[in-house]
Parts: sequence; structure tokens; C-alpha cells
Amino acid sequence: GAVVSQHPSRVICKSGTSVKIECRSLDFQATTMFWYRQFPKQSLMLMATSNEGSKATYEQGVEKDKFLINHASLTLSTLTVTSAHPEDSSFYICSARSGTGELFFGEGSRLTVL
Amino acid sequence: QQQVKQSPQSLIVQKGGISIINCAYENTAFDYFPWYQQFPGKGPALLIAIRPDVSEKKEGRFTISFNKSAKQFSLHIMDSQPGDSATYFCAASEGSWGKLQFGAGTQVVVTP
Repeated sequence: GAVVSQHPSRVICKSGTSVKIECRSLDFQATTMFWYRQFPKQSLMLMATSNEGSKATYEQGVEKDKFLINHASLTLSTLTVTSAHPEDSSFYICSARSGTGELFFGEGSRLTVL
Repeated sequence: QQQVKQSPQSLIVQKGGISIINCAYENTAFDYFPWYQQFPGKGPALLIAIRPDVSEKKEGRFTISFNKSAKQFSLHIMDSQPGDSATYFCAASEGSWGKLQFGAGTQVVVTP
């Protein structure tokens, strides 16, 4: 099946720094990618929808200046957590939609902000 | 608020038993209902999905039952195995291209 790769899988950073997480669709082109956040033992919360070549659409309550999303190509979307703080520590997951509409999820990226 | 309500929050089942997870929704525009399996530290993976035009779909040991009038759907895991121990999420969307609304998740533990 199709593969969606996230990098890095784990990242630890100091408070106040910015962190970039990449999401790549390895064997298909994804016009739409989604970014989710998941706290321990909780469900996935949709943060934003990313369409190639256009601005991301953020869900209510998600700070777009805090969580910068760029979808520069049909196979790559990036999430940058700017000026990260301990409360931003979470599991971030991306998903990519194939041309047939099927959704494939990445393996997730665990962010820990000290 | 949660647009898809999932229960139970957790369940323990013996090897060989049946695991049953239930979900309910209110939005009648939902017409795509997938189930995802997630292992700790990993992203979710699609298990099986159903559309409202059928009442049941089976793939191996996994079966979805769908009750359109009650706006409920459930996942049955037959002959549960320790390798099935994971968190299961139901979801719903308007069409398979719509944004997914996830349930809260059910942690399943299958004991040997």
C-alpha cells in the first residue's frame, strides 16, 4: 500500500526554538494533506488541511502563526512549530490523500519541548 | 464537541474472544465510516471502512455492522489475538474525500 513518511519521528528541543516536521508521500502524489495532534490516550485532533500550492486551512482554535504549514509540492508538506513551549509537546501525525481519495497516515512525530 | 461518540473507552478480552466497539453519530450527511487501528507510538492504519448502502462488511476477522436508522456502527473483532491489542478509532466523514471526524478511541487488550 501507499506509504507516508514523517521525519523526524522524535524530536526534543528547548523552549523558544522552532521545529520543522516533514510529511512525504513516497509513492503517490497528494494534493491534500492533513495535520493532526494527539495527546496521550486521546483521539486525533485535526489541526489543518494543507493543499498543494495554496494556504493551509486551519481548524478553529489552532494558531496559524504558531503552526506554520507549507505544502510546496505534491509529495511534501511541512509543519513548523514556532517558538515552541512545553505545552506544544505532543504527537503530531500527518495524512495524505491519494488520487483515489484514500487517506494514508504517517507514523507520527513525537515532539518534546523542554 | 465530539461528532462521533465511541464506547467503551477500553476493554479486555481473552484470546479467542470477540471484541465489540460501538460508535454513534448525529450528522446524517456522514456517508463514509472507516475504522483505524493504532499501535503505541505509531500512526493509525486503516482497518476497514463501510458506506451506508450496506449493513455489514467483513474482512477477515474484522466485521463492521452499520445501522443507518439508529445512526450507529460497530466493529467486531472475531477470534481476538494478542497482536490485536491496540487502540481502535472509528471515524466518519461526508464522502471519502471529506474531513474525518474521529471517535475518542478504544484501547483493546487481548490477554493470552
